[in-house]
Amino acid sequence: DAGVIQSPRHEVTEMGQEVTLRCKPISGHNSLFWYRQTMMRGLELLIYFNNNVPIDDSGMPEDRFSAKMPNASFSTLKIQPSEPRDSAVYFCASIPTPGDFLAYNEQFFGPGTRLTVL
Amino acid sequence: AQKVTQAQTEISVVEKEDVTLDCVYETRDTTYYLFWYKQPPSGELVFLIRRNSFDEQNEISGRYSWNFQKSTSSFNFTITASQVVDSAVYFCALSEYSGGGADGLTFGKGTHLIIQP
Repeated sequence: DAGVIQSPRHEVTEMGQEVTLRCKPISGHNSLFWYRQTMMRGLELLIYFNNNVPIDDSGMPEDRFSAKMPNASFSTLKIQPSEPRDSAVYFCASIPTPGDFLAYNEQFFGPGTRLTVL
Repeated sequence: AQKVTQAQTEISVVEKEDVTLDCVYETRDTTYYLFWYKQPPSGELVFLIRRNSFDEQNEISGRYSWNFQKSTSSFNFTITASQVVDSAVYFCALSEYSGGGADGLTFGKGTHLIIQP
């Protein structure tokens, strides 16, 4: 199995530029999550989708961040315009939406995208 | 609001020693999940274990064991006979179950475990 795929793996950009991070969840998984990891704040949830619908975006830091899931096999996280404080590792994760409480196992994480904004 | 506290920022032990990583959580829900993930220097997040709020049985997997106690809201992780390859950052995480599915994970700040040869 391919696992969760993220691209690019590394991105270096200049302040003010638009950045788009991409995620392909595991086939058949109905829920997708975006996380950000920084030294200061640790790992934090940004947004998650169930069946392509955004459920909770309260973790999105500000209007410069937006996320979409146009279909079950693809999601994007966009930062426009980017700022140096956005530098972080961004992880995408997916799960098959559990039908009942006991069915949930683990979140499958992608390898992450390391973003550096100069 | 949910919260996960890993009070130990860094632990350093000599190889073959036993080590316990502490995790304390807060939630108002009665249905939730607890997790441990490992992040080696390469940066990926490796799933170790999941427990749901109704399953307080301790679990052992090789040199790893987990102690879940709802009475103290703790989910501690013990490595027996530690090895250099265990060196990593370990994260405890919590997810509430909202009927329609599982919410995102709330992570602790992580414990950096250093195993010295």
